[in-house]
Amino acid sequence: GQQLNQSPQSMFIQEGEDVSMNCTSSSIFNTWLWYKQDPGEGPVLLIALYKAGELTSNGRLTAQFGITRKDSFLNISASIPSDVGIYFCAVFRPGTYKYIFGTGTRLKVLA
Amino acid sequence: DVKVTQSSRYLVKRTGEKVFLECVQDMDHENMFWYRQDPGLGLRLIYFSYDVKMKEKGDIPEGYSVSREKKERFSLILESASTNQTSMYLCASSRTVFSGGEQFFGPGTRLTVL
Repeated sequence: GQQLNQSPQSMFIQEGEDVSMNCTSSSIFNTWLWYKQDPGEGPVLLIALYKAGELTSNGRLTAQFGITRKDSFLNISASIPSDVGIYFCAVFRPGTYKYIFGTGTRLKVLA
Repeated sequence: DVKVTQSSRYLVKRTGEKVFLECVQDMDHENMFWYRQDPGLGLRLIYFSYDVKMKEKGDIPEGYSVSREKKERFSLILESASTNQTSMYLCASSRTVFSGGEQFFGPGTRLTVL
């Protein structure tokens, strides 16, 4: 079936560093969503992307919808301890009611 | 502010019990979803509802049923709970699912079946 591959799977970074992660697919999608999930909590929507090439920011977060519509990137600038969590991407499968979710990137921040 | 709430954060039940998980959204969304999330398996869709009294099976509906009597409320029912249904259950809603759109999640219910 269709899959979203996220990389890296996990990362340790120093507080204050910038973080970059990506999500790729073998298929084209028209909607890319980025979520953050804290331990024991539900995912929280960070950014939604609807147009190829689109670059959207939400505070220290910036996400881009790849021009090929097969990938997306999420960047976090000047990381802080509360950025810890799992970040995952999601796409909407056209013609269905289903969303496909990435495998997640686990971020750990060292103070 | 968009809001999806779930009736319980933690639940412990015994094998064979009937379990109800409730979800309410205040965004007037047409579409509501139930997922379960397990380590290494990610999010898996159990059921979806696109309107009151309308439902569609997701990828893993076995052992579950759902009820949507009001637009804002979507219930997940485990008719006879089993230990392999121990999991994190997540409810979500979205406005325009067939054209793609933002999906909002609730805080989750961690269910343990003993």
